[in-house]
Amino acid sequence: SQQGEEDPQALSIQEGENATMNCSYKTSINNLQWYRQNSGRGLVHLILIRSNEREKHSGRLRVTLDTSKKSSSLLITASRAADTASYFCATDVLGDYKLSFGAGTTVTVRA
Amino acid sequence: EPEVTQTPSHQVTQMGQEVILRCVPISNHLYFYWYRQILGQKVEFLVSFYNNEISEKSEIFDDQFSVERPDGSNFTLKIRSTKLEDSAMYFCASRGPMVTGELFFGEGSRLTVL
Repeated sequence: SQQGEEDPQALSIQEGENATMNCSYKTSINNLQWYRQNSGRGLVHLILIRSNEREKHSGRLRVTLDTSKKSSSLLITASRAADTASYFCATDVLGDYKLSFGAGTTVTVRA
Repeated sequence: EPEVTQTPSHQVTQMGQEVILRCVPISNHLYFYWYRQILGQKVEFLVSFYNNEISEKSEIFDDQFSVERPDGSNFTLKIRSTKLEDSAMYFCASRGPMVTGELFFGEGSRLTVL
């Protein structure tokens, strides 16, 4: 399976702290994407990093990609209560039509 | 901002009944998807659809499932004879014109099979 696997499964932090979650995958990818899901809602795209990129920033988000280790990390800086959600990595494999999602990391930001 | 819309938001059905979940993807998108998520669990790929045919499907997408794009705007998922284990949140997504890039998801249809 090409599914990403996130680590940790759950994370609880204080508002203002940084949250880091990791994703590992199994085969070569075209790109890797991170999505956010608020409880009971649809998934919302956060950021996409291509296989030839090593780091990407978007606002308070920083994503890294290490294709040699087949891993990615998502860092949320200066977290807010509104960042409480589940975060999923998804891999896009060349030649595949689908995105394959991992099991997600549930982040709780305490006020 | 264009969005993917799904109906119904929640459907309760008896085991063995047929269910149709409807989606209106973003209008200029070309690739359409159904995913499902059993409560609190991972997001599982069911099927992708391009150029009026299934482009890829998972092991979950067996003969009881079918998809259709009947009129160029709606994209439907039919479950012919529902089972208890079909209870889940079903998400429609679309993207395009490229097959790579971000997926745009609807808010989901919660299916409860009794």
